[in-house]
Amino acid sequence: DVKVTQSSRYLVKRTGEKVFLECVQDMDHENMFWYRQDPGLGLRLIYFSYDVKMKEKGDIPEGYSVSREKKERFSLILESASTNQTSMYLCASTTPAAGPDYGYTFGSGTRLTVV
Amino acid sequence: EDKVVQSPLSLVVHEGDTVTLNCSYEVTNFRSLLWYKQEKKAPTFLFMLTSSGIEKKSGRLSSILDKKELSSILNITATQTGDSAIYLCAVFDYGQNFVFGPGTRLSVLP
Repeated sequence: DVKVTQSSRYLVKRTGEKVFLECVQDMDHENMFWYRQDPGLGLRLIYFSYDVKMKEKGDIPEGYSVSREKKERFSLILESASTNQTSMYLCASTTPAAGPDYGYTFGSGTRLTVV
Repeated sequence: EDKVVQSPLSLVVHEGDTVTLNCSYEVTNFRSLLWYKQEKKAPTFLFMLTSSGIEKKSGRLSSILDKKELSSILNITATQTGDSAIYLCAVFDYGQNFVFGPGTRLSVLP
Protein backbone atom coordinates (compact mmCIF):
# COMPACT_ATOMS: atom_id res chain seq x y z
CA ASP A 1 0.00 0.00 0.00
CA VAL A 2 1.40 3.34 -1.02
CA LYS A 3 2.33 5.68 1.73
CA VAL A 4 3.15 9.26 2.43
CA THR A 5 4.26 9.66 6.01
CA GLN A 6 4.48 12.92 7.89
CA SER A 7 6.63 12.65 10.95
CA SER A 8 4.40 14.52 13.38
CA ARG A 9 0.64 14.69 13.73
CA TYR A 10 0.65 17.58 16.19
CA LEU A 11 3.29 20.20 16.92
CA VAL A 12 3.29 23.20 19.22
CA LYS A 13 6.11 25.69 18.70
CA ARG A 14 6.96 29.13 19.99
CA THR A 15 7.12 32.26 17.90
CA GLY A 16 10.57 32.67 16.41
CA GLU A 17 11.52 29.00 16.55
CA LYS A 18 12.85 27.20 13.51
CA VAL A 19 10.48 24.37 12.63
CA PHE A 20 11.06 21.33 10.45
CA LEU A 21 8.17 19.33 8.99
CA GLU A 22 9.24 16.05 7.45
CA CYS A 23 7.54 14.05 4.73
CA VAL A 24 8.65 10.66 3.43
CA GLN A 25 7.11 8.63 0.61
CA ASP A 26 7.87 5.04 -0.27
CA MET A 27 6.56 5.03 -3.82
CA ASP A 28 9.63 6.34 -5.64
CA HIS A 29 7.59 9.34 -6.76
CA GLU A 30 9.36 12.17 -8.49
CA ASN A 31 6.97 14.92 -7.46
CA MET A 32 6.36 16.04 -3.91
CA PHE A 33 4.31 18.93 -2.56
CA TRP A 34 3.67 20.87 0.59
CA TYR A 35 0.27 22.48 1.17
CA ARG A 36 -1.37 24.22 4.04
CA GLN A 37 -5.05 23.86 4.71
CA ASP A 38 -6.98 26.62 6.44
CA PRO A 39 -10.73 26.86 7.04
CA GLY A 40 -12.49 28.55 4.15
CA LEU A 41 -9.30 28.69 2.08
CA GLY A 42 -8.92 25.10 0.96
CA LEU A 43 -5.48 23.75 0.21
CA ARG A 44 -2.82 26.24 -0.81
CA LEU A 45 0.45 25.22 -2.37
CA ILE A 46 3.58 26.34 -0.55
CA TYR A 47 6.39 24.62 -2.46
CA PHE A 48 6.83 21.64 -4.72
CA SER A 49 9.68 19.60 -6.07
CA TYR A 50 10.04 17.67 -9.31
CA ASP A 51 13.23 15.92 -8.43
CA VAL A 52 16.04 15.74 -5.94
CA LYS A 53 17.49 19.17 -5.17
CA MET A 54 14.86 20.82 -7.33
CA LYS A 55 12.19 23.07 -5.90
CA GLU A 56 9.67 25.60 -7.08
CA LYS A 57 7.61 28.14 -5.24
CA GLY A 58 3.91 27.70 -4.99
CA ASP A 59 1.31 30.31 -4.16
CA ILE A 60 2.39 31.16 -0.63
CA PRO A 61 6.13 30.49 -0.18
CA GLU A 62 6.84 33.48 2.06
CA GLY A 63 8.19 32.45 5.43
CA TYR A 64 8.93 28.90 4.25
CA SER A 65 11.77 27.03 2.63
CA VAL A 66 12.15 23.41 1.56
CA SER A 67 14.81 20.78 1.20
CA ARG A 68 14.90 17.70 -1.02
CA GLU A 69 18.24 15.97 -0.61
CA LYS A 70 16.83 12.49 -1.24
CA LYS A 71 14.04 11.44 -3.55
CA GLU A 72 11.87 10.02 -0.81
CA ARG A 73 12.09 12.94 1.60
CA PHE A 74 10.74 16.48 1.29
CA SER A 75 11.17 18.79 4.24
CA LEU A 76 9.31 22.02 4.91
CA ILE A 77 11.17 24.56 7.03
CA LEU A 78 9.70 27.52 8.87
CA GLU A 79 12.74 29.71 9.40
CA SER A 80 11.15 31.75 12.18
CA ALA A 81 7.71 30.54 13.09
CA SER A 82 4.93 33.07 13.44
CA THR A 83 1.39 32.76 14.73
CA ASN A 84 -0.07 33.17 11.25
CA GLN A 85 1.64 29.93 10.29
CA THR A 86 -0.62 28.02 12.63
CA SER A 87 -2.32 25.62 10.23
CA MET A 88 -2.70 22.05 9.00
CA TYR A 89 0.17 21.13 6.70
CA LEU A 90 -0.29 18.40 4.13
CA CYS A 91 2.38 16.68 2.10
CA ALA A 92 1.55 14.91 -1.15
CA SER A 93 3.38 13.00 -3.83
CA THR A 94 2.72 11.74 -7.31
CA THR A 95 4.40 10.46 -10.41
CA PRO A 96 3.55 11.22 -14.02
CA ALA A 97 4.84 7.74 -14.84
CA ALA A 98 1.58 6.33 -13.48
CA GLY A 99 -0.21 7.62 -16.56
CA PRO A 100 -3.12 10.02 -17.04
CA ASP A 101 -5.10 8.67 -14.11
CA TYR A 102 -2.55 9.36 -11.45
CA GLY A 103 -3.86 10.94 -8.35
CA TYR A 104 -2.18 12.65 -5.51
CA THR A 105 -1.40 10.63 -2.43
CA PHE A 106 -1.57 12.73 0.69
CA GLY A 107 0.01 12.29 4.07
CA SER A 108 -2.16 12.43 7.15
CA GLY A 109 -1.22 16.01 7.92
CA THR A 110 0.64 17.88 10.63
CA ARG A 111 -1.33 20.28 12.74
CA LEU A 112 1.08 23.04 13.75
CA THR A 113 0.24 25.55 16.43
CA VAL A 114 2.56 28.52 16.92
CA VAL A 115 2.14 30.27 20.26
CA GLU B 1 -9.93 34.73 -8.85
CA ASP B 2 -10.07 30.96 -9.24
CA LYS B 3 -13.00 29.39 -7.50
CA VAL B 4 -14.59 25.98 -6.93
CA VAL B 5 -18.13 25.76 -5.66
CA GLN B 6 -19.83 22.63 -4.34
CA SER B 7 -23.45 21.93 -3.63
CA PRO B 8 -25.10 21.03 -1.46
CA LEU B 9 -22.79 21.85 1.43
CA SER B 10 -24.51 19.30 3.60
CA LEU B 11 -26.68 16.30 2.85
CA VAL B 12 -28.40 13.70 5.01
CA VAL B 13 -29.76 10.52 3.42
CA HIS B 14 -30.71 7.02 4.43
CA GLU B 15 -28.89 3.86 3.51
CA GLY B 16 -29.80 2.70 0.04
CA ASP B 17 -30.48 6.18 -1.31
CA THR B 18 -28.68 7.53 -4.38
CA VAL B 19 -26.95 10.89 -4.06
CA THR B 20 -25.55 13.36 -6.56
CA LEU B 21 -22.93 15.85 -5.50
CA ASN B 22 -22.22 18.89 -7.65
CA CYS B 23 -19.05 20.81 -8.34
CA SER B 24 -18.62 23.86 -10.54
CA TYR B 25 -15.47 25.82 -11.17
CA GLU B 26 -13.96 28.98 -12.54
CA VAL B 27 -10.30 28.25 -12.94
CA THR B 28 -7.83 29.52 -15.49
CA ASN B 29 -5.41 27.01 -17.02
CA PHE B 30 -7.66 24.10 -16.09
CA ARG B 31 -5.87 20.78 -16.25
CA SER B 32 -8.06 18.29 -14.41
CA LEU B 33 -10.77 17.93 -11.80
CA LEU B 34 -10.38 15.61 -8.87
CA TRP B 35 -12.75 14.18 -6.32
CA TYR B 36 -11.57 13.25 -2.86
CA LYS B 37 -13.21 11.64 0.13
CA GLN B 38 -12.13 13.07 3.46
CA GLU B 39 -12.84 11.31 6.71
CA LYS B 40 -10.65 11.80 9.76
CA LYS B 41 -7.41 11.82 7.85
CA ALA B 42 -6.01 13.31 4.68
CA PRO B 43 -8.20 13.32 1.58
CA THR B 44 -8.40 9.99 -0.23
CA PHE B 45 -8.25 10.20 -3.98
CA LEU B 46 -11.39 9.00 -5.80
CA PHE B 47 -11.30 10.18 -9.41
CA MET B 48 -9.39 12.39 -11.76
CA LEU B 49 -11.30 13.77 -14.74
CA THR B 50 -9.67 15.48 -17.68
CA SER B 51 -11.97 14.81 -20.63
CA SER B 52 -15.55 15.89 -20.98
CA GLY B 53 -18.29 13.31 -21.17
CA ILE B 54 -16.29 10.29 -20.09
CA GLU B 55 -17.68 8.66 -16.97
CA LYS B 56 -15.30 7.23 -14.44
CA LYS B 57 -16.66 4.44 -12.26
CA SER B 58 -15.46 2.69 -9.16
CA GLY B 59 -17.97 0.36 -7.55
CA ARG B 60 -20.97 2.39 -6.45
CA LEU B 61 -19.27 5.69 -7.22
CA SER B 62 -19.16 7.39 -10.58
CA SER B 63 -18.25 10.81 -11.83
CA ILE B 64 -18.37 12.79 -15.04
CA LEU B 65 -16.98 16.11 -16.20
CA ASP B 66 -18.71 18.69 -18.39
CA LYS B 67 -16.07 21.14 -19.55
CA LYS B 68 -18.60 23.19 -21.47
CA GLU B 69 -20.61 23.79 -18.30
CA LEU B 70 -17.45 23.91 -16.14
CA SER B 71 -18.89 21.36 -13.79
CA SER B 72 -18.76 17.82 -12.55
CA ILE B 73 -21.02 15.48 -10.62
CA LEU B 74 -20.22 12.64 -8.26
CA ASN B 75 -22.87 9.95 -7.95
CA ILE B 76 -23.08 7.42 -5.17
CA THR B 77 -25.68 4.67 -5.53
CA ALA B 78 -27.01 2.39 -2.78
CA THR B 79 -25.35 4.52 -0.11
CA GLN B 80 -23.95 2.92 3.03
CA THR B 81 -23.09 4.40 6.41
CA GLY B 82 -19.43 4.05 5.47
CA ASP B 83 -19.97 6.61 2.73
CA SER B 84 -20.45 9.28 5.39
CA ALA B 85 -17.64 11.78 4.85
CA ILE B 86 -16.80 15.13 3.36
CA TYR B 87 -16.46 14.93 -0.40
CA LEU B 88 -14.02 17.41 -1.82
CA CYS B 89 -13.86 18.62 -5.37
CA ALA B 90 -10.61 20.15 -6.52
CA VAL B 91 -9.41 21.61 -9.76
CA PHE B 92 -5.80 21.21 -10.70
CA ASP B 93 -4.18 23.72 -13.03
CA TYR B 94 -1.06 23.76 -15.14
CA GLY B 95 0.70 25.74 -12.45
CA GLN B 96 0.55 22.68 -10.18
CA ASN B 97 -2.03 24.42 -8.03
CA PHE B 98 -5.05 22.89 -6.43
CA VAL B 99 -8.17 24.90 -5.93
CA PHE B 100 -10.40 23.07 -3.52
CA GLY B 101 -14.09 23.55 -3.03
CA PRO B 102 -15.56 23.79 0.47
CA GLY B 103 -16.71 20.18 0.40
CA THR B 104 -20.07 18.46 0.76
CA ARG B 105 -20.68 16.82 4.12
CA LEU B 106 -22.62 13.62 3.47
CA SER B 107 -24.27 11.79 6.34
CA VAL B 108 -25.79 8.40 5.63
CA LEU B 109 -28.19 7.21 8.32
CA PRO B 110 -28.89 3.53 8.92
